[in-house]
Amino acid sequence: GAGVSQSPRYKVTKRGQDVALRCDPISGHVSLYWYRQALGQGPEFLTYFNYEAQQDKSGLPNDRFSAERPEGSISTLTIQRTEQRDSAMYRCASSLASRSNTGELFFGEGSRLTVL
Amino acid sequence: SQKIEQNSEALNIQEGKTATLTCNYTNYSPAYLQWYRQDPGRGPVFLLLIRENEKEKRKERLKVTFDTTLKQSLFHITASQPADSATYLCASHTGGFKTIFGAGTRLFVKA
Repeated sequence: GAGVSQSPRYKVTKRGQDVALRCDPISGHVSLYWYRQALGQGPEFLTYFNYEAQQDKSGLPNDRFSAERPEGSISTLTIQRTEQRDSAMYRCASSLASRSNTGELFFGEGSRLTVL
Repeated sequence: SQKIEQNSEALNIQEGKTATLTCNYTNYSPAYLQWYRQDPGRGPVFLLLIRENEKEKRKERLKVTFDTTLKQSLFHITASQPADSATYLCASHTGGFKTIFGAGTRLFVKA
């Protein structure tokens, strides 16, 4: 596609439910990042994929959070047993080159998660 | 831990003046720094990249400097316009796989 596409744009869920957030990166982009952004803050790194390999998941807050990118393209961020503190904007970004790059990140419009 | 710090206070300037935003990094030596613009409700958009061996980089009305001694980057917008009002984010690769961001500085340009 023309840009990074994320869905759903808005998700309201009840505490304890699982949610899955999807990211479709720009075609051909090797690198894919997930970030979480609180209001008035910069994006906070969650995890990074190079093709289908998850090469850094150090930013995932706890084991309720997981991500996958099985075919090196679309990625899913899953949050199990959601809690109110998980409410945030979740942003996906992709980049053309891989680890050693200085490439710019292209961000999607984000998925706004609200946990009631 | 590796950190990027930006002035969290909003910057208010008059149209036509030069806006200067500051980015400081601690506990690492980035090979480059990036600057992004973020409008309310939108994702960040890349503006400029400057490498550690470049002292200055320009793009139209934008200028970025990189001082490895001070561990600081300055971002300048000359002849500022109300349309430049946005949040500006500083970012850097940490040497691993992460690109980390500062909290951003909100810029308001008054007509």
